[in-house]
Amino acid sequence: GEDVEQSLFLSVREGDSSVINCTYTDSSSTYLYWYKQEPGAGLQLLTYIFSNMDMKQDQRLTVLLNKKDKHLSLRIADTQTGDSAIYFCAEPMNYGGSQGNLIFGKGTKLSVKP
Amino acid sequence: NAGVTQTPKFRVLKTGQSMTLLCAQDMNHEYMYWYRQDPGMGLRLIHYSVGEGTTAKGEVPDGYNVSRLKKQNFLLGLESAAPSQTSVYFCASSPTRTSGRRTKNIQYFGAGTRLSVL
Repeated sequence: GEDVEQSLFLSVREGDSSVINCTYTDSSSTYLYWYKQEPGAGLQLLTYIFSNMDMKQDQRLTVLLNKKDKHLSLRIADTQTGDSAIYFCAEPMNYGGSQGNLIFGKGTKLSVKP
Repeated sequence: NAGVTQTPKFRVLKTGQSMTLLCAQDMNHEYMYWYRQDPGMGLRLIHYSVGEGTTAKGEVPDGYNVSRLKKQNFLLGLESAAPSQTSVYFCASSPTRTSGRRTKNIQYFGAGTRLSVL
């Protein structure tokens, strides 16, 4: 079955760039997602990319997709203390009646030190 | 526009008690989901619904039941709570989509219910 893997922790200094990595399992055409969870809150969609793209940029966020290696990354430029959160990578399931439902990685907790 | 609202926000139960978690969405979304979030386990899908009157099992359905009698509401029930059900529960909703991986499935989440079972 599908599995989405992420490292659990990342610590950076304010002003540095953060890179959060994710590997996914299914190489068929699909959307891939990044969600952000702030402390005590639910998940919010941060950005997404369709698998025919290599890169997507949105202000301080850059998503890079390497389809060959099934590797997705989220880069946050000029990281701020307000970026401290848990970041989840997600891909859709690809089997049976659940096709299209999302599988989430375990989440990467980003800590930003002043 | 409230989005997805979950009640209650916190609850403490004793083993064997029952309770119902309520999720309401005001975005006219067809799809609704219940997840649980546990440390080191990420988000796991409990049950989901693709429309009013329909429900389906997710990855970890045992010990839970759901109902979707109205399009805007999705209820999660625990008939006999166990300590293993101590978790943070999230409800989410998404618009109509065709099944499959080639259509977007952007999910909108509630703020969560923190449940402790003693």
